[in-house]
Amino acid sequence: SQKIEQNSEALNIQEGKTATLTCNYTNYSPAYLQWYRQDPGRGPVFLLLIRENEKEKRKERLKVTFDTTLKQSLFHITASQPADSATYLCALEAGNNRKLIWGLGTSLAVNP
Amino acid sequence: SQTIHQWPATLVQPVGSPLSLECTVEGTSNPNLYWYRQAAGRGLQLLFYSVGIGQISSEVPQNLSASRPQDRQFILSSKKLLLSDSGFYLCAWGRDRVYGYTFGSGTRLTVV
Repeated sequence: SQKIEQNSEALNIQEGKTATLTCNYTNYSPAYLQWYRQDPGRGPVFLLLIRENEKEKRKERLKVTFDTTLKQSLFHITASQPADSATYLCALEAGNNRKLIWGLGTSLAVNP
Repeated sequence: SQTIHQWPATLVQPVGSPLSLECTVEGTSNPNLYWYRQAAGRGLQLLFYSVGIGQISSEVPQNLSASRPQDRQFILSSKKLLLSDSGFYLCAWGRDRVYGYTFGSGTRLTVV
């Protein structure tokens, strides 16, 4: 079956360190993969999109990699801050109607 | 700029009562609109999507229905709520892949 998986355990890191979150998928060949941030009780907020022909995408302190051979995307937050604490969701686009398939998210806590 | 409005923020309804959640988008025309439900531990589940007025696609057989009476209005309804309809309901619109999806602030529905 088709699956998209993210680290189920919460990630706790110290302020200033780099946080790395993982998104793995099986049985898909997505053209796009997206990362979102979600705070408690709020809707997800779009962060970055990476295309299948891109290896890496950066935006300020964020970096996303996409390895279509490994079927994996890594999401990095450098110089992490307590304000980065949230749940991070990955989603990939499946089918011609642009529907997104979502992971369950990984909770990140950055400790001061 | 484009904005998305969703209301109410919280709702407590008895089993068997009707439901109507409304979502409106401003600052864009002919958006793709989506209704999602997010239950604890289950991730974002696509319920309905619409590519235009009166065009509704249902993803999951359920006790809910959706309508799009105007270009920028998307309504989620139920004639009789079930306990299993409890959850966090999110409306979203998609403009261009590069910009991802924009989500509303969500409605926390509790059926008692």
